[in-house]
Amino acid sequence: AQSVAQPEDQVNVAEGNPLTVKCTYSVSGNPYLFWYVQYPNRGLQFLLKYITGDNLVKGSYGFEAEFNKSQTSFHLKKPSALVSDSALYFCAVRFRSYNTDKLIFGTGTRLQVFP
Amino acid sequence: SQTIHQWPATLVQPVGSPLSLECTVEGTSNPNLYWYRQAAGRGLQLLFYSVGIGQISSEVPQNLSASRPQDRQFILSSKKLLLSDSGFYLCAWRVRGGLNEQFFGPGTRLTVL
Repeated sequence: AQSVAQPEDQVNVAEGNPLTVKCTYSVSGNPYLFWYVQYPNRGLQFLLKYITGDNLVKGSYGFEAEFNKSQTSFHLKKPSALVSDSALYFCAVRFRSYNTDKLIFGTGTRLQVFP
Repeated sequence: SQTIHQWPATLVQPVGSPLSLECTVEGTSNPNLYWYRQAAGRGLQLLFYSVGIGQISSEVPQNLSASRPQDRQFILSSKKLLLSDSGFYLCAWRVRGGLNEQFFGPGTRLTVL
């Protein structure tokens, strides 16, 4: 069955330091993977996606993610964190069958960037 | 460009009262539409999705229902709200077919008292 795991409830990092938010997945077939960010009381905003091609995907706000097939991971990264990056981050994998087409989300990781 | 609207932004309702949340999408045709609930600011639970007018798939048994009376309109309803229906409700759309991402609306904060 398709699933996504975000093993960390919260990640704390100092401003200016690199950040990583972890995501692992389990799918049958080719994985289509997504990262979203959510600010308080707002809808989710799309950051980036992996469909095929280069394992390093670049997205919005300086974020990137590295697809690793052997480790079934899709970790979100940023070289230098900003206080404004503090938010809730969701990883998702697409699940598609003959009668369904949806995203399966992880439980979310709260990123806290300290000045 | 495409935009997605949800209203109301916030809602406080008594237990046992009815509910109607509306979501509309502009700038696209034949979208897939989705309703999610987010409890306690964390995980997202997919409630319903629709691939066309009148076509609704329910993900979990619950006190809620959904309808799609028009191509770009998606309504979430309840006849009698429960305390457990409180949460943040998010509507989303994506282009049908292809490998596109979902786009989310601003959400509705529902508090059932």
